[in-house]
Amino acid sequence: DIQMTQSPSTLSASVGDRVTITCRASQSINNWLAWYQQKPGRAPKLLIYKGSSLESGVPSRFSGSGSGTDFTLIISSLQPDDFATYYCQQYDHYPRTFGQGTKVDFK
Amino acid sequence: QVQLVESGGGVVQPGRSLRLSCAASGFTFSSYSFNWVRQSPGKGLEWVADISLDGSQTYYADSVKGRFTTTTDNSKNTVFLQMNSLRADDTAVYFCAREPLHARGLFDYWGQGTLVTVSS
Repeated sequence: DIQMTQSPSTLSASVGDRVTITCRASQSINNWLAWYQQKPGRAPKLLIYKGSSLESGVPSRFSGSGSGTDFTLIISSLQPDDFATYYCQQYDHYPRTFGQGTKVDFK
Repeated sequence: QVQLVESGGGVVQPGRSLRLSCAASGFTFSSYSFNWVRQSPGKGLEWVADISLDGSQTYYADSVKGRFTTTTDNSKNTVFLQMNSLRADDTAVYFCAREPLHARGLFDYWGQGTLVTVSS
């Protein structure tokens, strides 16, 4: 199985901060990498697919980059609605696997 | 609008069975593949299974292989997850998720989830 490792596990930030979350795959996933946002008691929401493509309707302050095994999610200016947990997911191989999550909370 | 609504969760004893349903609306059901993803209380996301758009191909996580079966009923626009021989570590919120046409294994719409608790 492909292991997905996110860092950090928790990130404390303030409104307006630039936030960076990293995700590393245990082997190359050919950019088949997605990012999801999840709020408590809610389903995950797709933000980014194929490493850097912004899902329709997602604010442009979210961006993704990377290739091969190393990927990054950036929130350029954190907004109150962005405090949530973020997961990366590879969809290059079975089984589909997720990172352990990064919780973004208030500093 | 696209909607996925799961149902069928509840409390069940270890070793027993449960069938989850995911009713879809707002799109052409038979044109999409579907997945099940679960989340144990306070934990991360775990992919469980998927089924191709024609129902001919299914894949399962090793943790559920041989115990869980996913099927679709195009006449009811519904995806099912039959869960047998349930164990305590199957306790989780189960989400169904749709795959977009352009990417197998990506999940563009999710249901709200249904909670399964396996306990004696």
